[in-house]
Order: sequence, then C-alpha cells, then structure tokens
Amino acid sequence: EVQLVESGGGLVKPGGSLRLSCAASGFSFSDCSMAWVRQAPGKGLEWVSAISSSSRHIYHADSLKGRFTISRDNAKNSLYLQMNSLRAEDTAVYYCARLGLSPYCSTTSCPADYWGQGTLVIVSS
Amino acid sequence: DIQMTQSPSTLSASVGDRVTISCRASQSISNWLAWYQQKPGKAPKLLIYKASSLESGVPSRFSGGGSGTEFTLTISSLQPDDFATYYCQQFNTYPLTFGGGTKVEIK
Repeated sequence: EVQLVESGGGLVKPGGSLRLSCAASGFSFSDCSMAWVRQAPGKGLEWVSAISSSSRHIYHADSLKGRFTISRDNAKNSLYLQMNSLRAEDTAVYYCARLGLSPYCSTTSCPADYWGQGTLVIVSS
Repeated sequence: DIQMTQSPSTLSASVGDRVTISCRASQSISNWLAWYQQKPGKAPKLLIYKASSLESGVPSRFSGGGSGTEFTLTISSLQPDDFATYYCQQFNTYPLTFGGGTKVEIK
C-alpha cells in the first residue's frame, strides 16, 4: 500500500524557517518524481515544487521567489521542503504527492496519483 | 504560466442529476489534464488523467472529455458521496497549475 506521511509543520514567526519531511513507503520511491502542493485555509490547491526521481530536474513555483527548496533522499525514501523567509501568506496545509508513472505522464510531468494527509504550517507572530 | 479557469465555482444539484464542470486552459495543453476530487479535511484524490482516462477504482459515472483548451468533467448520476470540490490541473508545462475549484453542493 502506498503511504506518504508528512511531518514538520507547525507555528513559525514571520521571517522564520521550517523544514517539512515526507516519508514514503509501499512503492519504489527512487523511480518516482515527487511534488509538494499547498492549500491555504478555505482556498484552492497551489502547486509548490516538483523533483524528478534522481533529483536532476527541480521546479519551483515562480511566486516562491527562491525561498523554498525541494530535495529528496532516495536512500531514506524521503522528500523534503526547506522553507525560508516565511510569510503569513505561506500559511497552508502542505501536501506531499507522488507523480504518477507512464502511461499517466506527458513528456514534461505527471498528475499526482497519491497524496499524503498534509501538514499544517501557520506563519504568525 | 498557463492559467486554468473552472466554471461554475459552485454548483447545486440533487442526487441522480447529471453534472458537468468545465475547465479552460489559457493555451493548448493537448490532453495533459487531470481532475481531482477533494472532500473537507482530506487530501485530493485523482479521478481522471490525460483528460479522459479513468483512474483505477473510480466509479464509471465519472467521465472526462476535451482537448486543447476546453475540458469537461461529467458525473452521469450524482451520488451522495460525490458532494465535494473538484479541481482540474494541467501537467503539460511547468509550473503546473490548478483551476480554482468547483464545489458541488446538495440542492
């Protein structure tokens, strides 16, 4: 059974940093691209970052302006999101998601076929 | 960036109704479109990929159509479990983008 379990969320002051983790199990993690998606309270889904299986290709939403960094450790079956210079507008539930494999995919990317339960990040003084 | 526009934002319907949600891309994305269902307090669930391919385990009352810039998600006979919010997403080009969502409410 595919499982994605996020951790590391919590309350942080504006300007602070936080590192989210996602522990993956039930599939070959090193074969899959992964992503982070967030959802502000009462709002829609917003794609944050994606990383290819080997970490060769990394993409971030332009709106993050270099404050967030996605990474992974295939030996530990783990995905990470380092968030710096946090702002109130970063308050959201952050989801870890597996990007599907062929035949789901375009030449560029894939839809998210499995999601974690999410971890809540609150940025407030 | 490719903008995804969903309509309507809210839809009121009854059990048994046929429901259609629209999604428009600001430029052609071929058929690289996914639909997700999200219930309150839960993670999204993949329903449809490549515009019309049904994800394993998803009931056949869900169907997707369209290509290029115009797409639809249809529920042929709305069931109580289907009251939720639905999102489209393009995966043609980074940055990946979602539509604003359509909330399907009980009439």
